[in-house]
Amino acid sequence: QSALTQPASVSGSPGQSITISCTGTSSDVGGYNYVSWYQQHPGKAPKLMIYDVSKRPSGVSNRFSGSKSGYTASLTISGLQAEDEADYYCSSYAGSSTWVFGGGTKLTVL
Amino acid sequence: EVQLVESGGGLVQPGGSLRLSCAASGFTFSSYAMSWVRQVPGKGLEWVSTISGSGGSTYYAESVKGRFAISRDNSENTLYLQMNSLRAEDTAIYYCAKDVREQLVLGYFDYWGQGTLVTVSS
Repeated sequence: QSALTQPASVSGSPGQSITISCTGTSSDVGGYNYVSWYQQHPGKAPKLMIYDVSKRPSGVSNRFSGSKSGYTASLTISGLQAEDEADYYCSSYAGSSTWVFGGGTKLTVL
Repeated sequence: EVQLVESGGGLVQPGGSLRLSCAASGFTFSSYAMSWVRQVPGKGLEWVSTISGSGGSTYYAESVKGRFAISRDNSENTLYLQMNSLRAEDTAIYYCAKDVREQLVLGYFDYWGQGTLVTVSS
């Protein structure tokens, strides 16, 4: 169960759009449409932002969107705001009732 | 309001044991799968274990299989993680988390506790 691969950091200016990638294998991201994304602010618990690749839980801004192509899932944040600055983690079902997270990406809003 | 409150963390020597608890409120506890996810301070998240709503099915990461045991008491709305043969690499903040949908084990966590720190060191 190797961690999914995410860029260590991304940055963008307010109002811009950014995309965070999450690359796995045929045993996880590529094999199932069960990808989720979490936002975590320093010292806080993670918050579910996207599930089932592209669905948003109630209360999550529509500025957040998810997609998947092959072995790579992506989280896009449009209209970047200061409060979006946080760590973001992807997660995928990995078969045999196991789940795997990505290593995390630090988003900096310039 | 959904609340998850972990307890039981602390300092333990390598090879020792610890039992974490997670007291749940604000939802029908027995209807939802529950999980433990850990995070080394300053590092990424790692899924540890999941238990179905009834408690009849349990799942573990390879890194803890055979050493950790997840359980629940639906009459007390409490989730547990019994951790044995602890190693330095088990040092982390342990979060309990609620699955997003009733009666299913999806591995999507819509509510998390505040976490409890486990430190394994001599």
